[in-house]
Amino acid sequence: GAGVSQTPSNKVTEKGKYVELRCDPISGHTALYWYRQSLGQGPEFLIYFQGTGAADDSGLPNDRFFAVRPEGSVSTLKIQRTERGDSAVYLCASATSGRSRPFFGPGTRLTVL
Amino acid sequence: SQQGEEDPQALSIQEGENATMNCSYKTSINNLQWYRQNSGRGLVHLILIRSNEREKHSGRLRVTLDTSKKSSSLLITASRAADTASYFCATDEGNTDKLIFGTGTRLQVFP
Repeated sequence: GAGVSQTPSNKVTEKGKYVELRCDPISGHTALYWYRQSLGQGPEFLIYFQGTGAADDSGLPNDRFFAVRPEGSVSTLKIQRTERGDSAVYLCASATSGRSRPFFGPGTRLTVL
Repeated sequence: SQQGEEDPQALSIQEGENATMNCSYKTSINNLQWYRQNSGRGLVHLILIRSNEREKHSGRLRVTLDTSKKSSSLLITASRAADTASYFCATDEGNTDKLIFGTGTRLQVFP
């Protein structure tokens, strides 16, 4: 499979806990995006990486959210002190470059109880 | 983050009918894309139209772009029950490298 993969596919956690969501982009794609989608809404931009650096993190809602991409491939989205409002599907996408069409992964459904 | 507006929010039609969805956006763009999503999960890319194009076709899909009105439409002809899904437009607003999605149109096609 050469597509974008995300793990886990589902994550249930309790309020206040820490979670990590992983994204494996398509090999060779330098651009990587994280989006969050709440029920009935369109995907909301969180952060964009070009290589190892966060080129645009303007969509992160607050300092509980953090993402890394240390080697320019796999990325991890980290959420501290989760709140019920963080419940959503978290989508990852990768692209050959910042201006080319992104390919989306299947998402991780996060439920905070 | 800002999102485009799409209308209608929901659309119900019979198989064989055409479905038209509209999208408006706010700033200058390089391109506009349409995506399809089933059951709130994976987004499937349908078509990309560049800012210097006015119309594009792909199979039963027809997309138009009017940059003077900052709007686009997606037409699905001869709809099928399998077309039932949510449809989103997305733009690279403000010439950034991120996609900004609209609020989506939920299409239901009855057999």
